Amino acid sequence: NAGVTQTPKFQVLKTGQSMTLQCAQDMNHNSMYWYRQDPGMGLRLIYYSASEGTTDKGEVPNGYNVSRLNKREFSLRLESAAPSQTSVYFCASRGDRGSYEQYFGPGTRLTVT
Amino acid sequence: QKEVEQNSGPLSVPEGAIASLNCTYSDRGSQSFFWYRQYSGKSPELIMSIYSNGDKEDGRFTAQLNKASQYVSLLIRDSQPSDSATYLCAVNRDGGKFYFGSGTKLNVKP
Repeated sequence: NAGVTQTPKFQVLKTGQSMTLQCAQDMNHNSMYWYRQDPGMGLRLIYYSASEGTTDKGEVPNGYNVSRLNKREFSLRLESAAPSQTSVYFCASRGDRGSYEQYFGPGTRLTVT
Repeated sequence: QKEVEQNSGPLSVPEGAIASLNCTYSDRGSQSFFWYRQYSGKSPELIMSIYSNGDKEDGRFTAQLNKASQYVSLLIRDSQPSDSATYLCAVNRDGGKFYFGSGTKLNVKP
């Protein structure tokens, strides 16, 4: 039982390049989330998906797109990376009604030069 | 105004003491409250959840919720050096969006 997995663990991009961060969970959770964490800023929600086929914006969605490919997988895409997107990205999934606890993946450390 | 406010610390306590971490939130409709521990370079790890007013105890950890004052706290009894980490407070209104505080760094000195 792997929980929440993310790939890649590290990535360096040049300004303007694109990439997709992958996330998968094996806990049969309906809800999945993408966050970014910057020093001193805590976790900020980028996008979330309450169920397969639905996505909603969080606090900081600009510059990102998401795809809920199926119940297990939720990807985050940067179409044209900017230095301001240098951050650590965490994916999480949440238990269903009655248990709103989130479980996090190991994170992706992204640097945009 | 931030949704969730925490003192960034660092909070320093001696080994064996009680560490008290505090969090306030702005949305009176918030229904679920969580404490996460995050070691440097690692992902957040859930340590406590609380949904109703009062205290909830789990081992050395006690979460306290006061919805009238919009205040949630975490007490760590018999603090150990291994408790040294950043503690994140999170709130949720209806199962959708979660809001996190910026975290309080705790140092437990041997």
